Amino acid sequence: QKEVEQNSGPLSVPEGAIASLNCTYSDRGSQSFFWYRQYSGKSPELIMFIYSNGDKEDGRFTAQLNKASQYVSLLIRDSQPSDSATYLCAGGSGNTGKLIFGQGTTLQVKP
Amino acid sequence: DGGITQSPKYLFRKEGQNVTLSCEQNLNHDAMYWYRQDPGQGLRLIYYSQIVNDFQKGDIAEGYSVSREKKESFPLTVTSAQKNPTAFYLCASSGTGSNQPQHFGDGTRLSIL
Repeated sequence: QKEVEQNSGPLSVPEGAIASLNCTYSDRGSQSFFWYRQYSGKSPELIMFIYSNGDKEDGRFTAQLNKASQYVSLLIRDSQPSDSATYLCAGGSGNTGKLIFGQGTTLQVKP
Repeated sequence: DGGITQSPKYLFRKEGQNVTLSCEQNLNHDAMYWYRQDPGQGLRLIYYSQIVNDFQKGDIAEGYSVSREKKESFPLTVTSAQKNPTAFYLCASSGTGSNQPQHFGDGTRLSIL
């Protein structure tokens, strides 16, 4: 069974700090990884995607991929209370276009 | 404005009743997906379709049915065989291929009367 694992949290950080969200995956064939943000009662919103080993930065967000360790992470710099949400990690599954989602990590940014 | 429209936003089902959730996209995406999300849980794939007139079961297809007669539309029917239908249902679409992100509609919240 292909899986994506996340710590459900909650992860609590003070405003202005760096939040680090982590994800591991079991399918070595996965080539693409996606981070979605989901506010309570709302649908997931794509915030980052990464295909290659290393770091990818977009504004306050940095996605990191380490294929050898089967590890994906999302760093949020200068965390704001508006970043408080559940963050879903997803990995691509073969050539079907299907995504395997983790359970999500709840982030709380305290003012 | 390009996007994915799900309707209705809230839906109530009586015992023994089939209900249909609508999903329409104008993103010109070939692939469409239906997920179910239960409180505090991740997304579970119900059905997906990569092309018109073709679809495949996901991980939890029992009690659900779909059709894909048009590229833009992928309706989901929750049948009376689905004994625990209360959940948040999400429709998504993407381009084809393994590196395409999925984009979601606003969801339909289904409850049992």
